[in-house]
Amino acid sequence: ETGVTQTPRHLVMGMTNKKSLKCEQHLGHNAMYWYKQSAKKPLELMFVYSLEERVENNSVPSRFSPECPNSSHLFLHLHTLQPEDSALYLCASSQDLPGPGNTIYFGEGSWLTVV
Amino acid sequence: AQSVTQLGSHVSVSEGALVLLRCNYSSSVPPYLFWYVQYPNQGLQLLLKYTTGATLVKGINGFEAEFKKSETSFHLTKPSAHMSDAAEYFCAVGRRGSTLGRLYFGRGTQLTVWP
Repeated sequence: ETGVTQTPRHLVMGMTNKKSLKCEQHLGHNAMYWYKQSAKKPLELMFVYSLEERVENNSVPSRFSPECPNSSHLFLHLHTLQPEDSALYLCASSQDLPGPGNTIYFGEGSWLTVV
Repeated sequence: AQSVTQLGSHVSVSEGALVLLRCNYSSSVPPYLFWYVQYPNQGLQLLLKYTTGATLVKGINGFEAEFKKSETSFHLTKPSAHMSDAAEYFCAVGRRGSTLGRLYFGRGTQLTVWP
């Protein structure tokens, strides 16, 4: 158990659907992240939240909409996605934003397939 | 700007053999350096990290890495491979002084261990 839990683990959705990915961290951390992992590409940072405030939106299309209602929960709302959005979406958390004493802990990921 | 290069997308070794996974980085300031491992169908798990101090860093599962500033490298090694080491390994760089949650990841190296 990693301390960062993601649901669902697998999701198949049509391009006109609306769905959400959920992440919950049980580590008492203040910062949470969404990363995208595509085949043959480096991990891409999508969003960063610190103390429930978004501190970075890394040029992510608006069809991805994050929500951080509290420091333990992070959502990624998905709307009218494209097939190229199919990927593994990883949630992560850290005590605070990365620094000497802070490590990023990852969840097991949500496999998204857009058909 | 930061970037990470992992030489060799696939590395195969025999059980008991030395494991060497290469990572070179470019960074305008002294970086933080990380190695993560990803087992099949799982998220990323921290193996080790370098922040400051001793340049030889020991991690979990018998892995270690050495920060060589002159070579801008942070290669991962293990003296004797085990079947359970088969996984994908990611090198990552964080920028010292950055207030953002940004880690730059390499493309990953898939390690196969033969019996």
